[in-house]
Amino acid sequence: NAGVTQTPKFRILKIGQSMTLQCTQDMNHNYMYWYRQDPGMGLKLIYYSVGAGITDKGEVPNGYNVSRSTTEDFPLRLELAAPSQTSVYFCASRKDRREAFFGQGTRLTVV
Amino acid sequence: GESVGLHLPTLSVQEGDNSIINCAYSNSASDYFIWYKQESGKGPQFIIDIRSNMDKRQGQRVTVLLNKTVKHLSLQIAATQPGDSAVYFCAEPNSGGSNYKLTFGKGTLLTVNP
Repeated sequence: NAGVTQTPKFRILKIGQSMTLQCTQDMNHNYMYWYRQDPGMGLKLIYYSVGAGITDKGEVPNGYNVSRSTTEDFPLRLELAAPSQTSVYFCASRKDRREAFFGQGTRLTVV
Repeated sequence: GESVGLHLPTLSVQEGDNSIINCAYSNSASDYFIWYKQESGKGPQFIIDIRSNMDKRQGQRVTVLLNKTVKHLSLQIAATQPGDSAVYFCAEPNSGGSNYKLTFGKGTLLTVNP
């Protein structure tokens, strides 16, 4: 069982560059989430989705965009990277209100 | 707004001692909580959950207590082992009244000294 898969694992971006963080899950979960975690801090919700074609903002959506064209995939887009977006990004999915399953994270550095 | 937070950011214990990690919540309508463990360099993993119709729930070496009167949760780990060293988060699966949002408290870093 692959679970939640995130790519890439590491990335260095220059200020102003764009990139897409990929997230895919093979558990047929409707609910998917993107979080960022700064060093020594908790998880902040960026965007979430309750199903294909439906997304909504979380706590810290500015500077990010998402799409959900399929149940499996929930990519996170950074259009104009800024140093403040240096963080570890986690994708998660869940079937219902119970446990969420997380990917291994993408460590992003913006220089 | 509604939030889930933690009292203590760090906790250091000796191997074999019991650990208690605390969490406060502000939404009195919250009816379900989950504890997650995040080991260094990994994503969080589910430990145990509790519904608001319960005061206590036990798992393997872990117990979660819920005090609805003061809106407080605690996670107790018995006979703490080095492998328990991690950040522990409490989560409210229906943040802000939504059944879909999932937000986390600040987290507590547990360090187990051999």
